[in-house]
Amino acid sequence: AQSVTQLGSHVSVSEGALVLLRCNYSSSVPPYLFWYVQYPNQGLQLLLKYTSAATLVKGINGFEAEFKKSETSFHLTKPSAHMSDAAEYFCAVNNQAGTALIFGKGTTLSVSS
Amino acid sequence: NAGVTQTPKFRILKIGQSMTLQCTQDMNHNYMYWYRQDPGMGLKLIYYSVGAGITDKGEVPNGYNVSRSTTEDFPLRLELAAPSQTSVYFCASSPLAGASYYNEQFFGPGTRLTVL
Repeated sequence: AQSVTQLGSHVSVSEGALVLLRCNYSSSVPPYLFWYVQYPNQGLQLLLKYTSAATLVKGINGFEAEFKKSETSFHLTKPSAHMSDAAEYFCAVNNQAGTALIFGKGTTLSVSS
Repeated sequence: NAGVTQTPKFRILKIGQSMTLQCTQDMNHNYMYWYRQDPGMGLKLIYYSVGAGITDKGEVPNGYNVSRSTTEDFPLRLELAAPSQTSVYFCASSPLAGASYYNEQFFGPGTRLTVL
């Protein structure tokens, strides 16, 4: 069965610090994995996606994620946080039929100066 | 391209009223979706459609209905609104899905609904 677990509903970092948002998945089919970002009062925007081409995926705004099959993880990182990165982040995996996405519960990132 | 558009942006309903949330996409995507987002719960799939005339239930379909008469439009109908339907509703579309398992979705800006 497909599922996604995001560890930590809230992560706080200082400006300039490393950002690490954790995502673990369970999948009985080849997984396609996504990270979406949601700024306040807006819809979801795709940050990056894993489509089996490369295990290290680079996305927009300096974010990247590494697919680790042995750990069933797809953690999101950014070397240096900006105030503008404050948002909610969602990890998602395809469902078994490939007809929909299954989302994690989200992680809210706060960035302090 | 406008992408995925949703109307209205906000709505307040009284218990028992009904309404339709509109969703339109101009990307010629076959797949369309309706989600609801509640605080701390992520996104829950209500209904989805794989093409005009074809719809299917998601995880939380009770209290909702959908139709898909054209590729572009995928309205969500709430009958007999209840306080439990207070939520933010997102429509999304996807160009590819199915056998390849790949399903990148594009989201609208959302409709914030309050039922009092």
